[in-house]
Amino acid sequence: QQQVKQSPQSLIVQKGGISIINCAYENTAFDYFPWYQQFPGKGPALLIAIRPDVSEKKEGRFTISFNKSAKQFSLHIMDSQPGDSATYFCAANQAGTALIFGKGTTLSVSS
Amino acid sequence: NAGVTQTPKFRVLKTGQSMTLLCAQDMNHEYMYWYRQDPGMGLRLIHYSVGEGTTAKGEVPDGYNVSRLKKQNFLLGLESAAPSQTSVYFCASSYPRGERAKGEAFFGQGTRLTVV
Repeated sequence: QQQVKQSPQSLIVQKGGISIINCAYENTAFDYFPWYQQFPGKGPALLIAIRPDVSEKKEGRFTISFNKSAKQFSLHIMDSQPGDSATYFCAANQAGTALIFGKGTTLSVSS
Repeated sequence: NAGVTQTPKFRVLKTGQSMTLLCAQDMNHEYMYWYRQDPGMGLRLIHYSVGEGTTAKGEVPDGYNVSRLKKQNFLLGLESAAPSQTSVYFCASSYPRGERAKGEAFFGQGTRLTVV
């Protein structure tokens, strides 16, 4: 049973456009929802994270929207740039356990 | 500022051979993790540790063993390598979530392992 489901698998966006990646989770005990960014040949790095007590968190061009009742959260990248081209992973966990990751989304921003 | 260091970075093994992947972190993190990354499968948790001397199984533990004898090190062992274990392995570490830490996991650069 996949605990964190991520879509789409790949995404192509024009420069300046909005990139949207969605995730859904099963375990209602999860209380931490981060997004990680990975460039080729590198390890993933934390991009932005949210707790379930808020519905939205924004950091620069990156925004997480969180819907607790639907058990869904999404990453929005505004004004997408070629430098944003990377693989993005959503994840979730509860305190004392390891992060469970989605399968990833490969984002390509065309110039 | 090394962070999380994985050794080796690349390795080719023959089926049936054994090896140990070493992960070292210099951030005094209590928690450490081993993940494997395969195309289209994302990052899957192999084993993790919440403190020195403790280990726990993740999603895909079969064929792997781990040890956490020192707080800063987390070893991943393959006793008899199989082609299905061809993957990129990532180690990560973090503080436990609480007042002083948000739970961010810091990853190493990865070890690319090929089993032929």
